[in-house]
Amino acid sequence: QKEVEQNSGPLSVPEGAIASLNCTYSDRGSQSFFWYRQYSGKSPELIMSIYSNGDKEDGRFTAQLNKASQYVSLLIRDSQPSDSATYLCAVNPSGGSYIPTFGRGTSLIVHP
Amino acid sequence: GAGVSQSPSNKVTEKGKDVELRCDPISGHTALYWYRQSLGQGLEFLIYFQGNSAPDKSGLPSDRFSAERTGGSVSTLTIQRTQQEDSAVYLCASSLSGGLGETQYFGPGTRLLVL
Repeated sequence: QKEVEQNSGPLSVPEGAIASLNCTYSDRGSQSFFWYRQYSGKSPELIMSIYSNGDKEDGRFTAQLNKASQYVSLLIRDSQPSDSATYLCAVNPSGGSYIPTFGRGTSLIVHP
Repeated sequence: GAGVSQSPSNKVTEKGKDVELRCDPISGHTALYWYRQSLGQGLEFLIYFQGNSAPDKSGLPSDRFSAERTGGSVSTLTIQRTQQEDSAVYLCASSLSGGLGETQYFGPGTRLLVL
């Protein structure tokens, strides 16, 4: 069973702070990693993908991947109340499967 | 262009009845996924279609669940003899070719309530 683990939260941060969301995975051979944002009652939307060790930045979002430690994180700088949502981590497993495994998500609350 | 569409958006049914959920992927996308999301849970994979290949049905929870994809486009997920535990949001997603690392685009989902 290939696992993707996330702290369910909620993670509460003040507006303007950095929000740090973490995800660990069990399949050491995984190569593709994704972060989705899901607003309450809405469907997930992709915000970041990362494939190589290190950091990948896109605006206020930075994804960090450490394959040796089997974790991927998402940093949100200058957090805004509109960032309040559930963030889902998804990992494509090894072995040629194209079906990602999703974590249960971390609820983020950004309070003014 | 149009995104992934799903219908109905909401469905209330009685235990024991059959339901059909429809997904219309993005035009030109050959890969189509069905997921289920229960309250407060992550996405549970159900079934995957890629072009003309045999579908990957490994996520279907029981033989009451089935899905088909006609003409490589529209897909229908059928749940027979519905049970209360089938109540969830059923999400459909499509991607260009199902390749590793491709972005999946999700539809708005069908909220199913079994009474």
